[in-house]
Amino acid sequence: ETGVTQTPRHLVMGMTNKKSLKCEQHLGHNAMYWYKQSAKKPLELMFVYSLEERVENNSVPSRFSPECPNSSHLFLHLHTLQPEDSALYLCASSLRDWQGGANYGYTFGSGTRLTVV
Amino acid sequence: GENVEQHPSTLSVQEGDSAVIKCTYSDSASNYFPWYKQELGKGPQLIIDIRSNVGEKKDQRIAVTLNKTAKHFSLHITETQPEDSAVYFCAASRGRGLKTIFGAGTRLFVKA
Repeated sequence: ETGVTQTPRHLVMGMTNKKSLKCEQHLGHNAMYWYKQSAKKPLELMFVYSLEERVENNSVPSRFSPECPNSSHLFLHLHTLQPEDSALYLCASSLRDWQGGANYGYTFGSGTRLTVV
Repeated sequence: GENVEQHPSTLSVQEGDSAVIKCTYSDSASNYFPWYKQELGKGPQLIIDIRSNVGEKKDQRIAVTLNKTAKHFSLHITETQPEDSAVYFCAASRGRGLKTIFGAGTRLFVKA
């Protein structure tokens, strides 16, 4: 366990389903991220939540919607997905030093392997 | 836009040999460069990082070098072992920036 827990580990869903991915961290980090990992492509940032601020990649379709109720939990709500959305969805967390401007490494979860049929 | 190029995409070495993975970044304001190792069925794991005020950092068998002028940074693994087989990602980010840019990854095979 890395300290970032993702559930479920595997998910198969039809194109008309609605499902949610969950991520939880108790590392005291103040930023959480959703990344999409597809075969032979770089990790793609989808959303960032940090200090109650949300930043999103404008290329992410609206069928993905994030929710961050507190600094320890992050959700990714999925609805009417397409087969090309099949991928590994990774959650990560990190410390962010806003005053000093320093960045720190991410702690990733093991991911949710999503298959859209 | 900003990008990070990583080479090679695949690297095969004999156990005990060294492995070198190279990355080039485009954003001259980048000041933090982490490296991640991803094993099968797991998420990426941070293995070493370097900040722009340092030229080299070493941790046992792994080391990272940074050339800010050329905007290059490299990962060096010495005395490779089969358990080093994995996908390695380089990344770059700037202070206060929310976006970390990842390289496309290098699949390292260490043959026993």
